[in-house]
Amino acid sequence: GAVVSQHPSWVICKSGTSVKIECRSLDFQATTMFWYRQFPKKSLMLMATSNEGSKATYEQGVEKDKFLINHASLTLSTLTVTSAHPEDSSFYICSASPTGFHQPQHFGDGTRLSIL
Amino acid sequence: SQQGEEDPQALSIQEGENATMNCSYKTSINNLQWYRQNSGRGLVHLILIRSNEREKHSGRLRVTLDTSKKSSSLLITASRAADTASYFCALPPGGSNYKLTFGKGTLLTVNP
Repeated sequence: GAVVSQHPSWVICKSGTSVKIECRSLDFQATTMFWYRQFPKKSLMLMATSNEGSKATYEQGVEKDKFLINHASLTLSTLTVTSAHPEDSSFYICSASPTGFHQPQHFGDGTRLSIL
Repeated sequence: SQQGEEDPQALSIQEGENATMNCSYKTSINNLQWYRQNSGRGLVHLILIRSNEREKHSGRLRVTLDTSKKSSSLLITASRAADTASYFCALPPGGSNYKLTFGKGTLLTVNP
C-alpha cells in the first residue's frame, strides 16, 4: 500500500530556532500534500496544502511566513517552522494521496515539536 | 470543505464487545472515509465508502452509509485492546478527493 514517511518524529529545540520537517511519499507520486497540526486531545487542524512546483495554499489564520512550505519534487514536501517559540509546540502531521478519484489520504507518523 | 461530526465523543467497552460510532454530515458527498489514530501517531486509513454504496466490510470493520440521513456508522466487532484509539470520519469536498477536514473523533477505549 501507499506509504508516507515523515521525519523527524521528535524534535526539541530552543526558542528562536528554525525547524524543518520532511514528508515523503515512498511509493507513489504526490502533486499535492497536506500539513496538519494537532493539539493534545484535539482534532487535526489543516494548516496548508502543499503544491508541487507552486506556492502552498494556507488556511485562514495560518501565518505563511512562520510556516514555510516547499514542495520541490513529486515525492517530497517540507514544512519549516521559522523562529519557533513555545506556542509553536505541537504535533505536526503530513498526508498525501495517489492521483485519482476516491483515493484515501495516507498519513505520516507525525512530528512532535517541543520548543523550550 | 465540510466536516463530519462523530458521536459519541468517547466510548469505553470490554474486550470482545462490539463498538459502534457514528458520523453525521450536512451536504452531499462523493465518498466518506474512516480513519484511526493511535495516541501520538499519524492517522491510518480504515475504509472508504462511496456515495453509491450502502455497506462495506474490512475484516472486523463494517461501515454503513445512509445518504438520505446524511450519516455513516463504523462497527468494530469482537473488539480487542489494540483497537483502543481515536476514530475519525472525513469527507472530501464534492468533485475532489483532496483537503480532508476532521471532526473531534470518537475516543474508543477497549478494556482487557
